[in-house]
Amino acid sequence: AQSVTQLDSQVPVFEEAPVELRCNYSSSVSVYLFWYVQYPNQGLQLLLKYLSGSTLVKGINGFEAEFNKSQTSFHLRKPSVHISDTAEYFCAVSYQAGTALIFGKGTTLSVSS
Amino acid sequence: GAVVSQHPSRVICKSGTSVKIECRSLDFQATTMFWYRQFPKQSLMLMATSNEGSKATYEQGVEKDKFLINHASLTLSTLTVTSAHPEDSSFYICSARGLGNNSSGANVLTFGAGSRLTVL
Repeated sequence: AQSVTQLDSQVPVFEEAPVELRCNYSSSVSVYLFWYVQYPNQGLQLLLKYLSGSTLVKGINGFEAEFNKSQTSFHLRKPSVHISDTAEYFCAVSYQAGTALIFGKGTTLSVSS
Repeated sequence: GAVVSQHPSRVICKSGTSVKIECRSLDFQATTMFWYRQFPKQSLMLMATSNEGSKATYEQGVEKDKFLINHASLTLSTLTVTSAHPEDSSFYICSARGLGNNSSGANVLTFGAGSRLTVL
């Protein structure tokens, strides 16, 4: 079955430290990958997406992710986090153009000073 | 950019009543709407997919008679929770896919802000 695995349910980090949120997906010929952020009691905001082309994708708020086909991963990174980055982060995948996204269970990023 | 307005953001109702949640695409035509449900501290689970003018396709385990989805126009889809019970309390989120001339446009969904339903 098609699935997305976010390996860490919670990631606590200190402000200005680098962070990596891990995401793996079940292999497929074609795949479209997304990272979303959700602040408390709010909807989802798209951080970045991989549809095709360059495997290194840059998004908003200084985040970036790298598509690694051999490892079926799409890890999210930020070199220096801020308190305001504290939120829930969801990795999502679509295996066919225009179909619904399959979401991972989410990773809670907690940034403290 | 594309915007999806979801209303109401919060609703509290008594057990046994019905609640309607609206999802509108403000500046694009949404050919497909996806409705998700999110329990506290959990991920989003797809409930159903609706294409404009067609009956919705429900995911396994989702009661179609309880969660009525209407997608009568290219800018509006509604989810009605009928005879709501406390176990229906959840965060419901819609997402829309618009008409696109390229594959990248068709693959990017726009999400509403969500509706938090509390059934007493």
